[in-house]
Amino acid sequence: GIQVEQSPPDLILQEGANSTLRCNFSDSVNNLQWFHQNPWGQLINLFYIPSGTKQNGRLSATTVATERYSLLYISSSQTTDSGVYFCAVYVYKLSFGAGTTVTVRA
Amino acid sequence: GAGVSQSPRYKVTKRGQDVTLRCDPISSHATLYWYQQALGQGPEFLTYFNYEAQPDKSGLPSDRFSAERPEGSISTLTIQRTEQRDSAMYRCASSLAPSGTGELFFGEGSRLTVL
Repeated sequence: GIQVEQSPPDLILQEGANSTLRCNFSDSVNNLQWFHQNPWGQLINLFYIPSGTKQNGRLSATTVATERYSLLYISSSQTTDSGVYFCAVYVYKLSFGAGTTVTVRA
Repeated sequence: GAGVSQSPRYKVTKRGQDVTLRCDPISSHATLYWYQQALGQGPEFLTYFNYEAQPDKSGLPSDRFSAERPEGSISTLTIQRTEQRDSAMYRCASSLAPSGTGELFFGEGSRLTVL
């Protein structure tokens, strides 16, 4: 099956810092989603982004499907950004990476 | 409904008991997925439905696991003779597109603990 690799596995940020999370995948995909799992375990949709660039407030994402990667940018991080960020790619089912655990310190 | 609804949110059971988890997808969503998420890991695919059809159940870990969606709306996931290794978060998601290529929306999950 398709392999989804996320990096880095862990990230510690000072409040206000910027960061980039990466997702590499091993094959062509039909779509890609980024999720945020908050400390209460809720899985929240961030972006549905099979290709191109999208922005939502302090977050933005870019997917380069031909090179099989996607990037999630967090700018001016806040403590509420803490949690696990998952990349998931769709071939005939949504396959998740192992996630990047982000801790934002005040 | 407005979002994907799962129940119960938390379930504690003893080894050997049967458990049934319920998922109510977003209204008119054709495709429904079940995922299992162990602590510290990403969600793993179990099975999915296109309306009431179940094209893929390759992710179900054993024949103790079964799922149904008899009327193409609400779905249940049943685990028979539960074992401690079944302890996990069980997540349901739905998508508008019949083939499931559209955006998936997840419910809050059902956390199962098997003692």
